[in-house]
Amino acid sequence: KAGVTQTPRYLIKTRGQQVTLSCSPISGHRSVSWYQQTPGQGLQFLFEYFSETQRNKGNFPGRFSGRQFSNSRSEMNVSTLELGDSALYLCASSKGSEEKLFFGSGTQLSVL
Amino acid sequence: DQQVKQNSPSLSVQEGRISILNCDYTNSMFDYFLWYKKYPAEGPTFLISISSIKDKNEDGRFTVFLNKSAKHLSLHIVPSQPGDSAVYFCAASYGQNFVFGPGTRLSVLP
Repeated sequence: KAGVTQTPRYLIKTRGQQVTLSCSPISGHRSVSWYQQTPGQGLQFLFEYFSETQRNKGNFPGRFSGRQFSNSRSEMNVSTLELGDSALYLCASSKGSEEKLFFGSGTQLSVL
Repeated sequence: DQQVKQNSPSLSVQEGRISILNCDYTNSMFDYFLWYKKYPAEGPTFLISISSIKDKNEDGRFTVFLNKSAKHLSLHIVPSQPGDSAVYFCAASYGQNFVFGPGTRLSVLP
């Protein structure tokens, strides 16, 4: 069974640009969550989607957005990139409520 | 306001000895607790979990203890191996709301 797949693995952008990250969950998993990890910080929750609907949202500015498609694949978009957006962005999938999360390898975003 | 705290940023242990990683939480609504292990440039991998109705769960070398009254959980690794060197994240959840701690870097010295 394939795991959670995130693309691309690495991304370099400049301030002001926008970026789209992609996540394919484990087959059969309908919940997809996104997290940001920066050095010295834990995993900061961005948002969670279930059956194409955003169920939960973390405390991030509106520049961070996401969506989920009918096949459960998800994308995350960050507009008007700032230097502080440099981080590892992790996607996790699960079957649904109260199920453990399975993480992808992440997308390392560097903003110059 | 950190709902899940891991007060030790790092821990060093000799190979073969016990590693004890600690985690504290503040929200009484959390009813499911997990530990994840993370290597550099990889996503976290699930290690072990415990429901709030239990106070202990064991899986091989890994044991998680939950003290609900103290809002505290700990992960014991016995015996510790060099391959256990990684960052360990504690997580607490209710429903599909997962909150992660800042992590503890464990170094197991040969």
